[in-house]
Parts: sequence; C-alpha cells; structure tokens
Amino acid sequence: NAGVTQTPKFQVLKTGQSMTLQCAQDMNHNSMYWYRQDPGMGLRLIYYSASEGTTDKGEVPNGYNVSRLNKREFSLRLESAAPSQTSVYFCASSELLASTDTQYFGPGTRLTVL
Amino acid sequence: AQSVAQPEDQVNVAEGNPLTVKCTYSVSGNPYLFWYVQYPNRGLQFLLKYITGDNLVKGSYGFEAEFNKSQTSFHLKKPSALVSDSALYFCAVRDRDAGNNRKLIWGLGTSLAVNP
Repeated sequence: NAGVTQTPKFQVLKTGQSMTLQCAQDMNHNSMYWYRQDPGMGLRLIYYSASEGTTDKGEVPNGYNVSRLNKREFSLRLESAAPSQTSVYFCASSELLASTDTQYFGPGTRLTVL
Repeated sequence: AQSVAQPEDQVNVAEGNPLTVKCTYSVSGNPYLFWYVQYPNRGLQFLLKYITGDNLVKGSYGFEAEFNKSQTSFHLKKPSALVSDSALYFCAVRDRDAGNNRKLIWGLGTSLAVNP
C-alpha cells in the first residue's frame, strides 16, 4: 500500500517549457487535490477533484490545468512554465470531499523554472 | 473571512521538556480543526483532528491538542519532546457551517526544533 505517489521528485524547466506532474493513490479515495508550497506562504490549493470526472479551481489555478484520468490518478499540467511557478507541489487525496475528512499527502515534486 | 494563525515561526525546546505549538483560528461557524506534520523533504502527515466531542484530542506520536472555543485556539502539545519531533507543523481549519465550501484553510506553519 504505497498511499499517494508523485512523479517526478525533482524537475528543472526553462521558461516556456511544459510538463505534467503525475499523482496516483491506491487508497480508493474519491477526492484528490493539488497544492503548492512556497516559503512564507504555507500551502495553497491549485485545483481539486471531488470525484472521478469532476475538477474545480482552488485559490491559485492560473497557469495550470488538471486531468482526473480515473479514480486513482490526478495530473497537473504546466503549459508554459514561468519562474513564479518554482515551488514544491504536493498531491493529496481524501475519501470524500467532506468537511471531516483527513487528507493524505504524497512526497512532493520540487520544481525549478529558470 | 476564515483564517488560521500560527503566531510563532519557530519554537525551540529541550529534549524531554513539554512542547506547545500554538494555533488560533477564525471562522464564521463552528470549526473542524487539523494538525499535520512535515518532516524535511517529505509530504505532510496527519497528526490529529477535532470534529466534535471531547475538547482534548489525542493523536499520533504522543501528540495531543486542546480545542478552546472561547479562545478560538487549538494548540498542539506533547508532554516530553523528542529530537525526532523536530519538523514543520501545520494547523488547518474548515468551517463546518460553510455549506459546499469545504476548502481547508492552512496556517503558515511553525518550525519546531528540539535540542538534545
């Protein structure tokens, strides 16, 4: 039982390049989330998916797109990377999009955009 | 507006001493409250949560937290700190009365350093 896995662990991009961050969970959770973590800013929600087939914007969606490929997988795409997107990205999942639900996090992807 | 404050960027404590990491919140309704821990270069791990009932919540690794509605606080505590407790701690809140707005509001984190 791996929990939440993310690939890659590290990535360096040049401005304007694109890439997709992959996330998968094996806990049969319905809801999945993408966050970014920046020093002094805490965690900010980029997008979330309440259930398979649905996605919604979070606090900071600009410059990102997501795909809920199936119940297990939720990917985050940067179409044209910018230095402001240098951050650590975390994927998380929870059983339901419920107020009491605990979120389980992946190990993160450290992205640098030059 | 909903918010979470962790008033201390860093807390230092000697091994074996009790530790407290503070959290205060502001929501328009009643809160659900969470504590997570992040070890270096790792993702966040769930520690404990307050949903309802007993104001003293016990969680993983010997941590506990006390919900205080009058002071709108949810401080994290441990009776005897270990060096291995050194990490970044995040408090988070949801407003249970916010209807479809189930977004988790995060504090900025408190870095705990336990000195041998």
